[in-house]
Amino acid sequence: DAGVIQSPRHEVTEMGQEVTLRCKPISGHNSLFWYRQTMMRGLELLIYFNNNVPIDDSGMPEDRFSAKMPNASFSTLKIQPSEPRDSAVYFCASSQQDAQETQYFGPGTRLLVL
Amino acid sequence: KQEVTQIPAALSVPEGENLVLNCSFTDSAIYNLQWFRQDPGKGLTSLLLIQSSQREQTSGRLNASLDKSSGRSTLYIAASQPGDSATYLCAVRQGNLIFGKGTKLSVKP
Repeated sequence: DAGVIQSPRHEVTEMGQEVTLRCKPISGHNSLFWYRQTMMRGLELLIYFNNNVPIDDSGMPEDRFSAKMPNASFSTLKIQPSEPRDSAVYFCASSQQDAQETQYFGPGTRLLVL
Repeated sequence: KQEVTQIPAALSVPEGENLVLNCSFTDSAIYNLQWFRQDPGKGLTSLLLIQSSQREQTSGRLNASLDKSSGRSTLYIAASQPGDSATYLCAVRQGNLIFGKGTKLSVKP
C-alpha cells in the first residue's frame, strides 16, 4: 500500500482565497483524521470521520473550515476564505476500525497564506 | 482538560549514548499512549503503542514505559545513532489523540 496520500504537498495562496486539501486514506481503513500542526500549538485534531461520517468536529476552528468524506477513499479539508493565521502543516491520518487503533499519517500539506 | 508535556524540548547527544525522553500527562484516565517519530518535512510514524493496562513495550533499541497513576511515560533509546535524529512526540488517547509538542533529538556522529 502507498500509505496515506495527501495533495498538494505545498500550497501558497493569498488571503481570502479558497484552499482545498485532499487526502486518500489507506485502503481498508475506515477512520480518517485531519490534524493541524503549528509551532505555537503543536499538533491538534481538527475533525475525525468513521465510516465516512463526521464523529467529532470540535477541533474545527471556525466556520471558514469545512471537511467532507464523500466515500471511503477520499476526503477534503476546505478553508474559505483563508487567512494568514491558517498557515500551518495539515496532516491527514487513517486507522482501522476506530480511534483506538494506531494511526498512520500522510506526509502533510504545508500551507502558507500571504 | 488533558495536557501532555514533553521535556526537554530539544536534546543533543553523541552517537552511542543511551537516552531517555520524558512525557507527562495530567489526566490518568487514558486508553493508551503512543510514541511517534517525525522527520523534518514528513508525517508522523508510530513507534510504540502502550495500552493503559500495560507497563512497557519494546521494539528493537526502543523501550517505552507507562506509569498511568503518576501520569508519566518514558521512551528509552539504546545506543543512539545519527539516524535517530528526529522529533519524538508522545500522544495519549482519551477519546481522541492528544499530543505533546515533542522533543527534538539530535545525535551527533
